[in-house]
Amino acid sequence: EAQVTQNPRYLITVTGKKLTVTCSQNMNHEYMSWYRQDPGLGLRQIYYSMNVEVTDKGDVPEGYKVSRKEKRNFPLILESPSPNQTSLYFCASSFSTDTQYFGPGTRLTVL
Amino acid sequence: EDKVVQSPLSLVVHEGDTVTLNCSYEVTNFRSLLWYKQEKKAPTFLFMLTSSGIEKKSGRLSSILDKKELFSILNITATQTGDSAVYLCAVMEYGNKLVFGAGTILRVKS
Repeated sequence: EAQVTQNPRYLITVTGKKLTVTCSQNMNHEYMSWYRQDPGLGLRQIYYSMNVEVTDKGDVPEGYKVSRKEKRNFPLILESPSPNQTSLYFCASSFSTDTQYFGPGTRLTVL
Repeated sequence: EDKVVQSPLSLVVHEGDTVTLNCSYEVTNFRSLLWYKQEKKAPTFLFMLTSSGIEKKSGRLSSILDKKELFSILNITATQTGDSAVYLCAVMEYGNKLVFGAGTILRVKS
């Protein structure tokens, strides 16, 4: 089944404790992207990647890192999470940059 | 600053009504406009629009883009309770940046 998977789906952590949210797709897509969704603000792009080893900042990259060592994986790294990073996170992928397929989301709470 | 504005923020209609959702945008290098539906989980793709005046249609949903006036509308006819969701508009720019609007919350009452 073609899909985008994210792990974990739910995470509660404390300020400053490094964490990684994984994203994997099995559709051989070149383009992958991370978003956060907050009430009243919609989806905001954090980082995106056009292909392996190519990443670019979106609208809200501060406090986040990404890597694209393999085509199928695009992990999101929070080196030192803070409470303002509490949010719902989505990973997405596509062949082109237009019709994106979204993962199920990761709900992160930083205390 | 690039922005995508959706209106209304929310609306409540009765089954069978027709609704029109609006999306206006100001972006530097427009490439395409996309509509998504989100029901308590990940957004699902509805339409992608790149050319003015060409209506995209899927069942009871349709959408059109006006690149001169910088807006798009999403129409839903004969609404059903299953249409209740958040509808998201997004604009893809050349350079691969994607900007979303805040969404319109639609509730269809039976």
